[in-house]
Amino acid sequence: GAGVSQSPRYKVAKRGQDVALRCDPISGHVSLFWYQQALGQGPEFLTYFQNEAQLDKSGLPSDRFFAERPEGSVSTLKIQRTQQEDSAVYLCASSQRIMEETQYFGPGTRLLVL
Amino acid sequence: AQSVSQHNHHVILSEAASLELGCNYSYGGTVNLFWYVQYPGQHLQLLLKYFSGDPLVKGIKGFEAEFIKSKFSFNLRKPSVQWSDTAEYFCAMKPGGGADGLTFGKGTHLIIQP
Repeated sequence: GAGVSQSPRYKVAKRGQDVALRCDPISGHVSLFWYQQALGQGPEFLTYFQNEAQLDKSGLPSDRFFAERPEGSVSTLKIQRTQQEDSAVYLCASSQRIMEETQYFGPGTRLLVL
Repeated sequence: AQSVSQHNHHVILSEAASLELGCNYSYGGTVNLFWYVQYPGQHLQLLLKYFSGDPLVKGIKGFEAEFIKSKFSFNLRKPSVQWSDTAEYFCAMKPGGGADGLTFGKGTHLIIQP
């Protein structure tokens, strides 16, 4: 595709619900990243995939957060038992190669937990 | 742990004024440095990047940045701003030579008054 796409663009969840956020990276991009951006802050790294392998998940804030990329393309970020502090914009980025490459960002999914 | 600091959270300038946004990073090794911009209602876009070589890098829309290793700085400059430069600007870094998530600053909200 022309760019990174994410869906849904907006999600409202009741506290305790599970949510799933989808990322479609640029076709052929090897690396995929998830970030969380709280209101008024810069994005914070959550996790990184190289093809289907999750190589770094050091930024995931708790075990309620889970990400997968089973076929090395589309990725899903799942948040279980959502809490109000999970309210943020979740950004996905992809890059073409593994080393020293520019990351291209999607529009983000704005999650509001009530 | 690495970190990025942006000195100004809000900057207001008149059209045609010169711009300099400060960015300092904390990391002991080789770094890759980036400036991203987020226009209202749009996703993060890369303005410019530094990987190696000439420390003065030029980006899109007349922006440039200078990497000063001794000061751990990567300030963004533009000699004459336009109303359309109103946006949020983020400085980011990652360790050089690796596939890592980016560490972002908190961002600078730039408003250009016509």
